[in-house]
Amino acid sequence: KQEVTQIPAALSVPEGENLVLNCSFTDSAIYNLQWFRQDPGKGLTSLLLIQSSQREQTSGRLNASLDKSSGRSTLYIAASQPGDSATYLCAVRHFGNEKLTFGTGTRLTIIP
Amino acid sequence: NAGVTQTPKFRILKIGQSMTLQCAQDMNHNYMYWYRQDPGMGLKLIYYSVGAGITDKGEVPNGYNVSRSTTEDFPLRLELAAPSQTSVYFCASSYASGGTTGELFFGEGSRLTVL
Repeated sequence: KQEVTQIPAALSVPEGENLVLNCSFTDSAIYNLQWFRQDPGKGLTSLLLIQSSQREQTSGRLNASLDKSSGRSTLYIAASQPGDSATYLCAVRHFGNEKLTFGTGTRLTIIP
Repeated sequence: NAGVTQTPKFRILKIGQSMTLQCAQDMNHNYMYWYRQDPGMGLKLIYYSVGAGITDKGEVPNGYNVSRSTTEDFPLRLELAAPSQTSVYFCASSYASGGTTGELFFGEGSRLTVL
């Protein structure tokens, strides 16, 4: 059974710093991995999707990497801003079925 | 673009009542999902569908039912509501599963309280 872990559960950093969020998974047979952002009381917004054949994806100040062999993905946020404060979740989609497994998220607070 | 639309946004039910959460998407997506999110517990899959007329159970299907008569709509039915069904419910959709077609899009959620 696929398990997805995000550590730490919460992170606070001063504004302007670069930071890395971690996502680990136990089964490397995946179609893709997706990073989401969730603001309080809101739905999940897709940030980046990395296909199993890719090593990284970039969108603006965000860069996500994927290392299937080690079962890890990282989300790098450059020059953090207070507006980046949110919960970040990763999810993996498995080969052989249509389901996704979500991590429990990292709650990020950017301190002005 | 409307994307994934869920109604209602908030609802309070009494124990034993029934209701339907509505979900509609206008992106011509084949795959649709219902998740529930409880504090500190992450998202749990309730039911999913890979196309009209096809549905399957997820991790936590007990107490729920779904139907998929059209590509656009995927309602979630709660029968005999129980306090354990107090949660935030999210509907999501994707075109397919592999590559970029697997990108998942979420609705804003429906917050349900059972008293």
